[in-house]
Amino acid sequence: KNEVEQSPQNLTAQEGEFITINCSYSVGISALHWLQQHPGGGIVSLFMLSSGKKKHGRLIATINIQEKHSSLHITASHPRDSAVYICAASGGSNYKLTFGKGTLLTVNP
Amino acid sequence: DAGVIQSPRHEVTEMGQEVTLRCKPISGHDYLFWYRQTMMRGLELLIYFNNNVPIDDSGMPEDRFSAKMPNASFSTLKIQPSEPRDSAVYFCASSLRQGAGEQFFGPGTRLTVL
Repeated sequence: KNEVEQSPQNLTAQEGEFITINCSYSVGISALHWLQQHPGGGIVSLFMLSSGKKKHGRLIATINIQEKHSSLHITASHPRDSAVYICAASGGSNYKLTFGKGTLLTVNP
Repeated sequence: DAGVIQSPRHEVTEMGQEVTLRCKPISGHDYLFWYRQTMMRGLELLIYFNNNVPIDDSGMPEDRFSAKMPNASFSTLKIQPSEPRDSAVYFCASSLRQGAGEQFFGPGTRLTVL
Protein backbone atom coordinates (compact mmCIF):
# COMPACT_ATOMS: atom_id res chain seq x y z
CA LYS A 1 0.00 0.00 0.00
CA ASN A 2 1.37 3.37 -1.02
CA GLU A 3 2.02 5.64 1.93
CA VAL A 4 0.72 8.62 -0.05
CA GLU A 5 -2.74 8.38 -1.58
CA GLN A 6 -4.27 10.86 -3.99
CA SER A 7 -7.81 11.34 -5.18
CA PRO A 8 -9.28 11.49 -7.66
CA GLN A 9 -7.05 9.69 -10.16
CA ASN A 10 -8.69 11.53 -13.05
CA LEU A 11 -10.58 14.80 -13.05
CA THR A 12 -12.30 16.58 -15.93
CA ALA A 13 -13.59 20.12 -15.49
CA GLN A 14 -14.95 22.98 -17.52
CA GLU A 15 -13.00 26.19 -17.79
CA GLY A 16 -13.73 28.43 -14.83
CA GLU A 17 -14.58 25.67 -12.39
CA PHE A 18 -13.07 25.38 -8.91
CA ILE A 19 -10.82 22.31 -8.65
CA THR A 20 -9.83 20.32 -5.58
CA ILE A 21 -7.31 17.49 -5.48
CA ASN A 22 -6.80 15.58 -2.26
CA CYS A 23 -3.78 13.86 -0.73
CA SER A 24 -3.61 11.65 2.35
CA TYR A 25 -0.47 10.28 3.88
CA SER A 26 0.15 7.64 6.52
CA VAL A 27 3.66 8.52 7.63
CA GLY A 28 5.07 11.32 9.72
CA ILE A 29 6.33 14.03 7.46
CA SER A 30 8.49 17.11 7.57
CA ALA A 31 6.95 18.60 4.44
CA LEU A 32 4.28 17.95 1.83
CA HIS A 33 5.05 18.78 -1.78
CA TRP A 34 2.73 19.47 -4.69
CA LEU A 35 4.24 18.98 -8.14
CA GLN A 36 2.90 19.65 -11.63
CA GLN A 37 3.75 17.68 -14.76
CA HIS A 38 2.47 18.67 -18.18
CA PRO A 39 2.02 15.90 -20.79
CA GLY A 40 5.43 14.88 -22.06
CA GLY A 41 6.96 17.55 -19.92
CA GLY A 42 9.14 18.01 -16.92
CA ILE A 43 8.16 18.26 -13.29
CA VAL A 44 7.74 21.58 -11.54
CA SER A 45 7.48 22.11 -7.81
CA LEU A 46 4.35 24.13 -7.01
CA PHE A 47 4.32 24.14 -3.23
CA MET A 48 6.19 22.80 -0.27
CA LEU A 49 4.37 23.17 3.03
CA SER A 50 4.51 21.81 6.54
CA SER A 51 1.55 23.65 8.05
CA GLY A 52 -1.34 25.94 7.20
CA LYS A 53 -1.89 27.27 3.73
CA LYS A 54 0.08 28.67 0.82
CA LYS A 55 -1.20 30.60 -2.20
CA HIS A 56 0.38 31.32 -5.54
CA GLY A 57 -1.82 33.00 -8.10
CA ARG A 58 -4.89 30.82 -8.65
CA LEU A 59 -3.38 27.88 -6.79
CA ILE A 60 -3.87 27.25 -3.09
CA ALA A 61 -2.42 24.41 -1.03
CA THR A 62 -3.55 23.50 2.47
CA ILE A 63 -2.41 20.91 4.96
CA ASN A 64 -3.93 19.47 8.13
CA ILE A 65 -1.17 17.79 10.08
CA GLN A 66 -3.50 16.15 12.61
CA GLU A 67 -5.61 14.54 9.88
CA LYS A 68 -2.56 13.81 7.65
CA HIS A 69 -4.34 15.41 4.73
CA SER A 70 -3.53 18.05 2.15
CA SER A 71 -5.52 19.64 -0.65
CA LEU A 72 -4.58 21.51 -3.78
CA HIS A 73 -7.18 23.97 -5.06
CA ILE A 74 -7.29 25.72 -8.40
CA THR A 75 -9.64 28.68 -8.72
CA ALA A 76 -11.02 29.79 -12.09
CA SER A 77 -9.48 26.80 -13.86
CA HIS A 78 -8.09 27.24 -17.36
CA PRO A 79 -7.19 24.71 -20.09
CA ARG A 80 -3.51 25.48 -19.48
CA ASP A 81 -3.96 23.99 -15.99
CA SER A 82 -4.39 20.59 -17.64
CA ALA A 83 -1.59 18.46 -16.26
CA VAL A 84 -0.80 15.70 -13.80
CA TYR A 85 -0.63 16.93 -10.21
CA ILE A 86 1.50 14.87 -7.87
CA CYS A 87 1.55 14.92 -4.11
CA ALA A 88 4.75 13.86 -2.33
CA ALA A 89 5.75 13.56 1.30
CA SER A 90 9.19 14.00 2.78
CA GLY A 91 10.20 12.92 6.25
CA GLY A 92 13.11 13.89 8.43
CA SER A 93 16.05 15.90 7.21
CA ASN A 94 16.94 13.76 4.22
CA TYR A 95 14.31 15.25 1.88
CA LYS A 96 13.59 11.80 0.49
CA LEU A 97 10.20 11.94 -1.27
CA THR A 98 7.43 9.37 -1.33
CA PHE A 99 5.03 10.06 -4.19
CA GLY A 100 1.34 9.64 -4.77
CA LYS A 101 0.22 8.19 -8.11
CA GLY A 102 -0.86 11.57 -9.42
CA THR A 103 -4.12 13.15 -10.54
CA LEU A 104 -4.67 13.75 -14.24
CA LEU A 105 -6.57 17.02 -14.60
CA THR A 106 -8.19 17.97 -17.89
CA VAL A 107 -9.79 21.39 -18.17
CA ASN A 108 -11.97 21.81 -21.23
CA PRO A 109 -12.62 25.20 -22.82
CA ASP B 1 21.03 29.42 -13.63
CA ALA B 2 20.21 26.89 -16.35
CA GLY B 3 18.45 24.54 -13.99
CA VAL B 4 19.09 20.82 -13.75
CA ILE B 5 20.48 19.49 -17.01
CA GLN B 6 20.02 15.92 -18.16
CA SER B 7 21.36 14.11 -21.19
CA PRO B 8 20.40 12.51 -23.39
CA ARG B 9 16.74 13.57 -23.56
CA HIS B 10 15.81 10.41 -25.42
CA GLU B 11 17.61 7.09 -25.63
CA VAL B 12 16.60 4.05 -27.62
CA THR B 13 18.71 0.96 -27.19
CA GLU B 14 18.52 -2.78 -27.57
CA MET B 15 18.24 -5.24 -24.75
CA GLY B 16 21.60 -6.14 -23.31
CA GLN B 17 23.27 -2.83 -24.14
CA GLU B 18 24.78 -0.52 -21.56
CA VAL B 19 22.98 2.76 -20.97
CA THR B 20 24.44 5.81 -19.24
CA LEU B 21 22.28 8.73 -18.19
CA ARG B 22 23.85 12.00 -17.13
CA CYS B 23 22.85 14.81 -14.81
CA LYS B 24 24.25 18.21 -13.94
CA PRO B 25 22.59 19.63 -10.80
CA ILE B 26 22.03 23.29 -10.07
CA SER B 27 25.27 24.86 -8.94
CA GLY B 28 25.53 24.97 -5.16
CA HIS B 29 22.90 22.31 -4.50
CA ASP B 30 24.13 19.65 -2.13
CA TYR B 31 21.47 16.98 -2.68
CA LEU B 32 20.98 15.03 -5.89
CA PHE B 33 18.19 12.53 -6.55
CA TRP B 34 17.58 10.01 -9.32
CA TYR B 35 13.94 9.03 -9.97
CA ARG B 36 12.22 6.67 -12.36
CA GLN B 37 8.70 7.23 -13.68
CA THR B 38 6.54 4.54 -15.27
CA MET B 39 2.83 4.35 -15.99
CA MET B 40 2.42 1.40 -13.66
CA ARG B 41 4.43 2.58 -10.65
CA GLY B 42 4.51 6.35 -10.99
CA LEU B 43 7.55 8.17 -9.62
CA GLU B 44 10.04 6.20 -7.57
CA LEU B 45 13.22 7.27 -5.88
CA LEU B 46 16.18 5.20 -7.03
CA ILE B 47 19.08 6.78 -5.13
CA TYR B 48 20.13 10.07 -3.64
CA PHE B 49 23.42 11.75 -2.83
CA ASN B 50 24.40 14.33 -0.27
CA ASN B 51 27.63 16.19 -0.95
CA ASN B 52 28.51 13.61 -3.62
CA VAL B 53 28.11 10.67 -1.21
CA PRO B 54 25.38 8.06 -1.85
CA ILE B 55 23.06 8.11 1.15
CA ASP B 56 20.21 5.78 0.23
CA ASP B 57 20.23 3.38 -2.70
CA SER B 58 17.42 1.17 -1.46
CA GLY B 59 15.32 2.08 -4.49
CA MET B 60 17.83 0.78 -7.01
CA PRO B 61 16.02 -2.18 -8.56
CA GLU B 62 18.94 -4.56 -8.87
CA ASP B 63 22.64 -4.89 -9.47
CA ARG B 64 22.24 -3.91 -13.09
CA PHE B 65 21.75 -0.34 -11.90
CA SER B 66 24.59 1.80 -10.57
CA ALA B 67 25.00 5.51 -9.90
CA LYS B 68 28.00 7.70 -9.27
CA MET B 69 28.65 11.31 -8.40
CA PRO B 70 32.34 11.97 -8.96
CA ASN B 71 31.99 15.69 -8.21
CA ALA B 72 29.42 18.27 -7.19
CA SER B 73 28.46 19.10 -10.75
CA PHE B 74 28.00 15.69 -12.35
CA SER B 75 26.24 12.40 -11.76
CA THR B 76 25.60 9.31 -13.85
CA LEU B 77 23.07 6.50 -13.70
CA LYS B 78 24.17 3.38 -15.53
CA ILE B 79 22.16 0.33 -16.50
CA GLN B 80 24.11 -2.71 -17.61
CA PRO B 81 22.78 -4.81 -19.20
CA SER B 82 19.54 -3.04 -20.05
CA GLU B 83 16.22 -4.88 -20.26
CA PRO B 84 12.87 -3.88 -21.81
CA ARG B 85 11.34 -3.45 -18.34
CA ASP B 86 13.82 -0.64 -17.71
CA SER B 87 11.94 1.49 -20.24
CA ALA B 88 10.81 4.59 -18.35
CA VAL B 89 11.49 8.28 -17.90
CA TYR B 90 14.41 8.92 -15.59
CA PHE B 91 14.49 12.23 -13.74
CA CYS B 92 17.31 13.85 -11.88
CA ALA B 93 16.56 16.48 -9.24
CA SER B 94 18.65 18.61 -6.94
CA SER B 95 17.97 20.56 -3.79
CA LEU B 96 19.68 22.83 -1.35
CA ARG B 97 19.62 21.97 2.33
CA GLN B 98 19.09 25.59 3.17
CA GLY B 99 16.10 25.57 0.86
CA ALA B 100 14.42 23.13 3.22
CA GLY B 101 14.21 20.43 0.62
CA GLU B 102 12.41 21.99 -2.34
CA GLN B 103 13.51 19.91 -5.29
CA PHE B 104 14.23 21.14 -8.79
CA PHE B 105 13.75 18.56 -11.49
CA GLY B 106 15.55 18.12 -14.76
CA PRO B 107 13.63 17.55 -18.02
CA GLY B 108 14.09 13.79 -17.80
CA THR B 109 15.53 11.13 -20.08
CA ARG B 110 13.03 8.94 -21.88
CA LEU B 111 14.61 5.49 -22.17
CA THR B 112 13.26 2.83 -24.49
CA VAL B 113 14.83 -0.61 -24.40
CA LEU B 114 13.79 -2.78 -27.33
